[in-house]
Amino acid sequence: GAGVSQSPSNKVTEKGKDVELRCDPISGHTALYWYRQSLGQGLEFLIYFQGNSAPDKSGLPSDRFSAERTGGSVSTLTIQRTQQEDSAVYLCASSLEGSGRARAGELFFGEGSRLTVL
Amino acid sequence: GQNIDQPTEMTATEGAIVQINCTYQTSGFNGLFWYQQHAGEAPTFLSYNVLDGLEEKGRFSSFLSRSKGYSYLLLKELQMKDSASYLCAVNWDRDDKIIFGKGTRLHILP
Repeated sequence: GAGVSQSPSNKVTEKGKDVELRCDPISGHTALYWYRQSLGQGLEFLIYFQGNSAPDKSGLPSDRFSAERTGGSVSTLTIQRTQQEDSAVYLCASSLEGSGRARAGELFFGEGSRLTVL
Repeated sequence: GQNIDQPTEMTATEGAIVQINCTYQTSGFNGLFWYQQHAGEAPTFLSYNVLDGLEEKGRFSSFLSRSKGYSYLLLKELQMKDSASYLCAVNWDRDDKIIFGKGTRLHILP
């Protein structure tokens, strides 16, 4: 697609329910990132993928959070048994190359999924 | 840790110049990004620095000192539309993880 697409754009759920957030990166982008942003705060790193593998899952806040990526494309972030503190905007970004190389892997962000846990 | 420090808020006047500083842990440093984020919108890329020195791009410039673990974003001829948060982000250890600072909210006064 033309840009990074995230769905749903807004999700209101009850405490204890599971939610799935989807990210469709720019076609051909090998790296995919998930961040969380609470109101007025910075971006909190959650996880990144290089292809289908996730070399670093250290940012996931708890074992209720998981993410997968299939076919080197779409990624899903799943939050089980949601809690009120999970309320935030979940941002997905993709890049053409990993930033670990000489050339910068500029991140292209989606518009985010706003999650509200009641 | 991978601490990234930048001021929480700054205020400047339309037409003026403002410098937003960012400090980070130098061990394993690979490169530094600056992003702009308007309220309610996704961040957009401004610059990427790997080598020491100043890189200029129109009204915006970004500086890096690898030995000091220091960068700044310089905004010239400020316009009201420059009111936004400016996010410093760092990549360490030649992997692909990019960590963001908490951001600096810049307020522009007429």
